Order: sequence, then C-alpha cells, then structure tokens
Amino acid sequence: TQLLEQSPQFLSIQEGENLTVYCNSSSVFSSLQWYRQEPGEGPVLLVTVVTGGEVKKLKRLTFQFGDARKDSSLHITAAQPGDTGLYLCAGALIQGAQKLVFGQGTRLTINP
Amino acid sequence: NAGVTQTPKFRILKIGQSMTLQCAQDMNHNYMYWYRQDPGMGLKLIYYSVGAGITDKGEVPNGYNVSRSTTEDFPLRLELAAPSQTSVYFCASTSTWSYEQFFGPGTRLTVL
Repeated sequence: TQLLEQSPQFLSIQEGENLTVYCNSSSVFSSLQWYRQEPGEGPVLLVTVVTGGEVKKLKRLTFQFGDARKDSSLHITAAQPGDTGLYLCAGALIQGAQKLVFGQGTRLTINP
Repeated sequence: NAGVTQTPKFRILKIGQSMTLQCAQDMNHNYMYWYRQDPGMGLKLIYYSVGAGITDKGEVPNGYNVSRSTTEDFPLRLELAAPSQTSVYFCASTSTWSYEQFFGPGTRLTVL
C-alpha cells in the first residue's frame, strides 16, 4: 500500500489546457513537497508547503496544502510542453526527522 | 559546487556479484539518503544517515549495506546481487535546517 497516493498516474493534455494533480493520504504530514523529475535526472524541488491551508504560487503552478495536512494539489494553468515531466509529491511524517515518503508520481505529457 | 555526485551512471551485474555505488556531496550536509526508483513508481528509502558514523534503515534495506565514515561520502553496498535489485538508485542530501533534498543524477543498475 502506498502511504501517499497520487492521481492521476498518467496525464496527457494539449498545450494551453489546465490540469490538477492530487496527492492524498490518511496520515498527517509536518510538511509536503513537490518535486519534478526529468528523464535520466534526479528530482528537483519545486515547492515546500508547511501550514495547513497554505497556497503557494510559482508562475503558472499553484500548490495547495490541505487544511488537515493530509493532502495536497498541484494546479497548472495554460500548460506548456516544457511542463512535461514526472511530478512527485513527498511528505515528511515526523517534524525534524527529515525523512520523506514519496508518492508514485504523475507522468505529465503536454502535447504541442 | 558539484552538489551530489554519483558513480557509476550505468552498471550491469550478474546474479551473485557485489558492487558499491558511490555518492558524494560537497554542500556540508549532515543528512544523506539512498533511494531506489522502480519503473512507474516513486522513490523508496533504502538507508539514510544523519551524520558521519550514524546510519539507519529505511523502508527497503534488505540486500544493501551502507557506511558513513565522512560527512561527504555515503556509499551503498550491494552483496549477492539479485534481479529484484534492478532499479535506478538515487542518492540525496539535505542540511539540518532545510526540508529540501538535493538529488544526484542516479545510477541505473541491471542485474541479469
């Protein structure tokens, strides 16, 4: 069983469309992170959310942490081919332990 | 700074052989991690270290060993390689006061 469930696992849309990726759990996290991974490379951090209900924006990307700190979402507005990649959410279960639990990832393809 | 470096990038092993995956970081990070990423999956924690001389098991430690004699280096040892260990291995590090993990480029290992 996966502690962090991401949905959808695969998403292929046209350039200019909007999309939302979800990361859900029954566990409470002290913080939650979103990473993006390109083929043949390691994941790179996009954002960290810490407070329940927190919303962070990174250009066309909007990240939200659920009020109960059990879930998160990533919304992309007007998707571009450069957004193509594997998006991973990762949660820190115990404050200060700095160990992360990763979701299985969402493979996003933006078609020109 | 080179960040997190891993060698080799690719390796093919025969069943029963042993090898060491090298990982080094030049950011003076206390925390270091080894993950494996299977196709279509997220990252699973193998071992981690909170400082030189201190290591602990993660989610999937069986078949692996680690050591941390210096702050910079965190090698992962595979003894008696098995086909189930075919995967991409990522090393990561983070500092005491940050949630962000910095990843190396990965080692793609195939056991035949």
